[in-house]
Amino acid sequence: GQQLNQSPQSMFIQEGEDVSMNCTSSSIFNTWLWYKQDPGEGPVLLIALYKAGELTSNGRLTAQFGITRKDSFLNISASIPSDVGIYFCAPNTGNQFYFGTGTSLTVIP
Amino acid sequence: DTAVSQTPKYLVTQMGNDKSIKCEQNLGHDTMYWYKQDSKKFLKIMFSYNNKELIINETVPNRFSPKSPDKAHLNLHINSLELGDSAVYFCASSQGTSGIRGEQYFGPGTRLTVT
Repeated sequence: GQQLNQSPQSMFIQEGEDVSMNCTSSSIFNTWLWYKQDPGEGPVLLIALYKAGELTSNGRLTAQFGITRKDSFLNISASIPSDVGIYFCAPNTGNQFYFGTGTSLTVIP
Repeated sequence: DTAVSQTPKYLVTQMGNDKSIKCEQNLGHDTMYWYKQDSKKFLKIMFSYNNKELIINETVPNRFSPKSPDKAHLNLHINSLELGDSAVYFCASSQGTSGIRGEQYFGPGTRLTVT
């Protein structure tokens, strides 16, 4: 079956540091999405990637769709306290939807 | 206006009971989903409906039955609740199922606790 690995599982960083997380899969996907979940709320879409090799930014966030279509990374620059939360990659192909296991980010002021 | 809403926000019930969770979206989307998030925060899709028709039905006990009276609503009914059903259930919607139309908008979640 399809295997989706997201790492790291958790991160504890100082405010102002940069963050990097990634997802790798055993299958090829057409779309890679990145979501953030704040405590007690539903996931919110941060960045969407639709083409292999695509690099997209949204403010301090940058994500890339791997050239093999089997992986993606998300970077956060100059982290701030409100970046705290759980980040999920969510690749899909047609009607097949998956969520990564999540990266829990803690930012220490 | 809330884009995707769920009721109730919290649901505490005893084993063996039957309960329903309601979901409504006012985004005009054609596709709606139910996800289960366990205590380790793993998110797993359960069902997906497109224009009131079931398109995804993952391996879920048949005690779980989704119902879509119209494309703006997708309710989840659970029979004979078990302890292992305790989790947060999220409803989501999207315009379609692929590409930019597959971008999903999530509700606030329903925390179900079975005692």
